[in-house]
Amino acid sequence: DAGVIQSPRHEVTEMGQEVTLRCKPISGHDYLFWYRQTMMRGLELLIYFNNNVPIDDSGMPEDRFSAKMPNASFSTLKIQPSEPRDSAVYFCASRQETTNTGELFFGEGSRLTVL
Amino acid sequence: GNSVTQMEGPVTLSEEAFLTINCTYTATGYPSLFWYVQYPGEGLQLLLKATKADDKGSNKGFEATYRKETTSFHLEKGSVQVSDSAVYFCALSDTSGTYKYIFGTGTRLKVLA
Repeated sequence: DAGVIQSPRHEVTEMGQEVTLRCKPISGHDYLFWYRQTMMRGLELLIYFNNNVPIDDSGMPEDRFSAKMPNASFSTLKIQPSEPRDSAVYFCASRQETTNTGELFFGEGSRLTVL
Repeated sequence: GNSVTQMEGPVTLSEEAFLTINCTYTATGYPSLFWYVQYPGEGLQLLLKATKADDKGSNKGFEATYRKETTSFHLEKGSVQVSDSAVYFCALSDTSGTYKYIFGTGTRLKVLA
């Protein structure tokens, strides 16, 4: 299996621009998670989906952030408008529906820099 | 609520030294416990896990034992290598049925030749 695939790996944009990050989970996985990693805050859960339905978006920092999962093999995280404080590495992760012993598989991340 | 606390880094060791990274947790019920490792420029990957009290997870020379009485899951390795330099995250699976993972803040390990 190809693993969790994220794109782009690196994004540099200017403040105010729209940013879209993409994720393809592992085939057959029922759960998809979006995390943000910064030096100051560590790894934060932004939102997660089960069977394409958003379950908990309480970690989404502001209305500028939105996430969708139109089908089982694709999800997007959008920031509009972007701000310098959004600069971080954004990770997508997926897992199969199981008990809480299941492994979470991470993508390689999208490094976002907002100037 | 559930939480994970792990020791602050960075930890700097010489090659072949003994490693301990402390992790304690707070949880209701019986969570599963995990150690993830993040190498530079990569995503997190599972290093080892333990699903019930007294279980020992092990992989690549690393070990951790699920200690319910002390609510701990300390990571150990007898002899570290330069290639072990990475950031290590302790995590638990949420016990409220949400399937969320709760991660510690990460501990950076640097091993010098």
